[in-house]
Amino acid sequence: DAGVIQSPRHEVTEMGQEVTLRCKPISGHNSLFWYRQTMMRGLELLIYFNNNVPIDDSGMPEDRFSAKMPNASFSTLKIQPSEPRDSAVYFCASSWTSANEQFFGPGTRLTVL
Amino acid sequence: ELKVEQNPLFLSMQEGKNYTIYCNYSTTSDRLYWYRQDPGKSLESLFVLLSNGAVKQEGRLMASLDTKARLSTLHITAAVHDLSATYFCAVDPRHGNKLVFGAGTILRVKS
Repeated sequence: DAGVIQSPRHEVTEMGQEVTLRCKPISGHNSLFWYRQTMMRGLELLIYFNNNVPIDDSGMPEDRFSAKMPNASFSTLKIQPSEPRDSAVYFCASSWTSANEQFFGPGTRLTVL
Repeated sequence: ELKVEQNPLFLSMQEGKNYTIYCNYSTTSDRLYWYRQDPGKSLESLFVLLSNGAVKQEGRLMASLDTKARLSTLHITAAVHDLSATYFCAVDPRHGNKLVFGAGTILRVKS
């Protein structure tokens, strides 16, 4: 069984560049979540989708961050322009709504120089 | 706003010993989750607790939930080195899929 798939696994970019992170949820799951993990702030929920619709984006830090889910099998998190303080590990997770247990992808380690 | 507090935040223990990690939360909920994270890795689901009094066990780990006390515990029995990891509890306050995570407990089991 394929779990949640994220790409790239590592991304190093320079300040001001656009960064796009990608996620493929587990097939059949209808909820998708984007988290950010840092030493200082721990694990933070950025945004989540139910049935491809954004439900709560209150955790998105600012307008530089945007997320889309064009279909049930794909989501993107975009940062434009990126800043050094965006350096973190970004996790995507998915779940069946009713069960609510979230399954996490391997994460993308983002470094903004 | 829901707050989830774990303690201790760091735990160093000897192999063979028992210990408990506590997870307190500030608002009503009957859904609580425990996850494990190894260094540089993703989060792995350990337990899903969905009602007051729920108890789940897997190997040397046992988790329980007391919704009236707003408390969950993760008990470690006869710790082994392989249990070294960071353990997170997460609470769903409104059955809306929006989990709030604790800060995590770093567990180090010394041989």
